[in-house]
Amino acid sequence: DAGVTQSPTHLIKTRGQQVTLRCSPKSGHDTVSWYQQALGQGPQFIFQYYEEEERQRGNFPDRFSGHQFPNYSSELNVNALLLGDSALYLCASSLRRPGANVLTFGAGSRLTVL
Amino acid sequence: AQSVTQLDSHVSVSEGTPVLLRCNYSSSYSPSLFWYVQHPNKGLQLLLKYTSAATLVKGINGFEAEFKKSETSFHLTKPSAHMSDAAEYFCVVTYTGGFKTIFGAGTRLFVKA
Repeated sequence: DAGVTQSPTHLIKTRGQQVTLRCSPKSGHDTVSWYQQALGQGPQFIFQYYEEEERQRGNFPDRFSGHQFPNYSSELNVNALLLGDSALYLCASSLRRPGANVLTFGAGSRLTVL
Repeated sequence: AQSVTQLDSHVSVSEGTPVLLRCNYSSSYSPSLFWYVQHPNKGLQLLLKYTSAATLVKGINGFEAEFKKSETSFHLTKPSAHMSDAAEYFCVVTYTGGFKTIFGAGTRLFVKA
């Protein structure tokens, strides 16, 4: 039973570019959340997708956008990259029902912005 | 504002001695509380969770945590540290029906031989 898979594992971009990160949730999960983890800090919630819609959003600018597909996989897009966007981006999946709020995390995508 | 505070950024113990990692959260109706561990260059792994059942929660690898509502605390403990326990530990709170999570800043655990 595959867990959460993320791609790519590492990537390097330059300021002003755009990036797309991908996530496949754990089998049976229907909700995907994205987190940004800067070096030496805890993960910060970006947003959550369920039924192909953004349901919750953290304190991130509109440069950060996402999408969820009918097969529950998800993408995170970041436009106009800044140096400060360099971080580990974590995807977590879960099942959206009361009492089932355990998050299963992928290994992350490490983005470096030069 | 909803928040989670991990009281120590770093904890250092000797192998075989007890571990205590402290976590306090802002009070809210029926929060769900979790501890996750992150080894270097890895994703986060669930250690244990509290969801309003027994206040003493047992997790994997010998870890356990006690929910104390009066103190709004959820400290993580282990009777005897192992070298493989060296990692970053995150206390996590879920509010609003489980659709928004807040992470603590993390505690780095060092285990000395």
